Amino acid sequence: NAGVTQTPKFQVLKTGQSMTLQCAQDMNHNSMYWYRQDPGMGLRLIYYSASEGTTDKGEVPNGYNVSRLNKREFSLRLESAAPSQTSVYFCASSEGTGIGAKNIQYFGAGTRLSVL
Amino acid sequence: TQLLEQSPQFLSIQEGENLTVYCNSSSVFSSLQWYRQEPGEGPVLLVTVVTGGEVKKLKRLTFQFGDARKDSSLHITAAQPGDTGLYLCAGGREGNKLVFGAGTILRVKS
Repeated sequence: NAGVTQTPKFQVLKTGQSMTLQCAQDMNHNSMYWYRQDPGMGLRLIYYSASEGTTDKGEVPNGYNVSRLNKREFSLRLESAAPSQTSVYFCASSEGTGIGAKNIQYFGAGTRLSVL
Repeated sequence: TQLLEQSPQFLSIQEGENLTVYCNSSSVFSSLQWYRQEPGEGPVLLVTVVTGGEVKKLKRLTFQFGDARKDSSLHITAAQPGDTGLYLCAGGREGNKLVFGAGTILRVKS
């Protein structure tokens, strides 16, 4: 019952360092998403991938890049981390992109990132 | 400025009390979802409402979508300590992209 798995769970970076957040889902879902959650802001969509081979910007894409490596995996990369990117990052997946019960988004447990 | 405004931000009540959380927007959404999130975990979907005026019940939780599909409410009857958590509403947009409210932190004291 893994669902959506995110690694690492915690990470501390210095300003200017780079890192990649990993996400994998085992539900054979077509669509995957990256969000960040900040106090008082709710979750905001960074990037999403409607299907394997496609990626699109969300609400707050600046400073991030993504790769849909295959159907299972969707990674988020910070090329030069900044303190403003301190946040909790969530990956989610859904069967498709339509409205309805089969397109529920399932979330991972999150990666807590601090940039000093 | 949040596209979806949730109120209240914090709610601390005694076990057995009733409460309502509100989610309001000036925008129309194709669907409205409610999530519950516990510390250290990702959000978990409680319900999706898609039709204006729709009411859904999940045990002691009642969800309503406004007639104009711009607002929603979550009512909990006889709250229990297990209801403690962060409640998030999210509006559905084209392509299954979600716009989240800032959340309501609920604490139910026994």
